[in-house]
Amino acid sequence: AQSVSQHNHHVILSEAASLELGCNYSYGGTVNLFWYVQYPGQHLQLLLKYFSGDPLVKGIKGFEAEFIKSKFSFNLRKPSVQWSDTAEYFCAVNPDGNNRLAFGKGNQVVVIP
Amino acid sequence: NAGVMQNPRHLVRRRGQEARLRCSPMKGHSHVYWYRQLPEEGLKFMVYLQKENIIDESGMPKERFSAEFPKEGPSILRIQQVVRGDSAAYFCASSLKGGANTDTQYFGPGTRLTVL
Repeated sequence: AQSVSQHNHHVILSEAASLELGCNYSYGGTVNLFWYVQYPGQHLQLLLKYFSGDPLVKGIKGFEAEFIKSKFSFNLRKPSVQWSDTAEYFCAVNPDGNNRLAFGKGNQVVVIP
Repeated sequence: NAGVMQNPRHLVRRRGQEARLRCSPMKGHSHVYWYRQLPEEGLKFMVYLQKENIIDESGMPKERFSAEFPKEGPSILRIQQVVRGDSAAYFCASSLKGGANTDTQYFGPGTRLTVL
């Protein structure tokens, strides 16, 4: 079945550590890719998105993601996390150019001060 | 500059009752999407609506669930005769242009439905 996979559902790290969250998808053809973040008690917010062009995408709050078409991946990175980055992170794929988003199960990230 | 609004934020229903979830899109947005998040799962697409039209309901359960987006007023997701398995967080999103292919979906805070 077509899907979006996020591994390591729970991630705990210290401030200033580097963060990388993996996202792999199994849809063929053209896709649009998104990372959303949900801070505690808040709604989903868009971190960054890729539609076309430079596969290295810069987002808000120092996050970036790299689209590697050959690996069907769109991994999220941040070189140095802060306590305020504690949140749940969702990768989402828009397959086949249609209207629905397919989400991964999310990564719960806890940053220890 | 209101974002996507959903109400109620929390809803408790007994088995067999009806649940009505409301979503007001961002100003100027006429495309609305509903997603459901079960515990320990990612969000699953349910339905995509434009004003007065259901465009894609491929993710909706065949029975008891319905959605509308009238010309005036919010979009409504209606669940009849709720069962415990309907307990979940229901998220609404809206976009300016049609489809996620060319536009970004902005999400509301969600409605957490608990069925006793």
